[in-house]
Amino acid sequence: DGGITQSPKYLFRKEGQNVTLSCEQNLNHDAMYWYRQDPGQGLRLIYYSQIVNDFQKGDIAEGYSVSREKKESFPLTVTSAQKNPTAFYLCASSIGGSVPQPQHFGDGTRLSIL
Amino acid sequence: AQKITQTQPGMFVQEKEAVTLDCTYDTSDQSYGLFWYKQPSSGEMIFLIYQGSYDEQNATEGRYSLNFQKARKSANLVISASQLGDSAMYFCAMREGSWPGGGADGLTFGKGTHLIIQP
Repeated sequence: DGGITQSPKYLFRKEGQNVTLSCEQNLNHDAMYWYRQDPGQGLRLIYYSQIVNDFQKGDIAEGYSVSREKKESFPLTVTSAQKNPTAFYLCASSIGGSVPQPQHFGDGTRLSIL
Repeated sequence: AQKITQTQPGMFVQEKEAVTLDCTYDTSDQSYGLFWYKQPSSGEMIFLIYQGSYDEQNATEGRYSLNFQKARKSANLVISASQLGDSAMYFCAMREGSWPGGGADGLTFGKGTHLIIQP
């Protein structure tokens, strides 16, 4: 089945540690996105990528890094510089181009600090 | 200023009644898109309905319709004949930008409305 796979579902990080969240899609979508959701809040954009080997910062990029080496994959690294990383992280993808399209989401990764 | 405002933090509705979830938006762009998503307690985001700023007709998808009032900058979601499975968080979102050629920027989300359907 086509879709977006995020792993792991739950992740625990120690202080000062970098962790990487995986996001893979088999929808052949050009654009991919990472969002952060805090309890009782909407989603906020961290990074997005419209094509391979290119990505842009969103509203809250500080303390995060991404790569887009393959069309199917858009991993997010939460670095030790992110002081409050505990949140629900959602990856999404959409068809690129000029016609607006909905974004399709993965099931998310819950990150907690030990 | 918030770009997407959802003024109803929570709503209780009787099963089979119609529900209207409010959403107002703020943009100076002429071209934009408005989306509604449903988020059950499991966390996944489910796309419900889309309205483009140039669409003259209100969008409909099954039991969902979008009451688009451009001059008032509102894009309310209407759910007809609510069901117990409709209980979830509902988010209004916007993508600004000009298209054709508008690219694939991210969405700006409101804070959501927690809808609870009672039997």
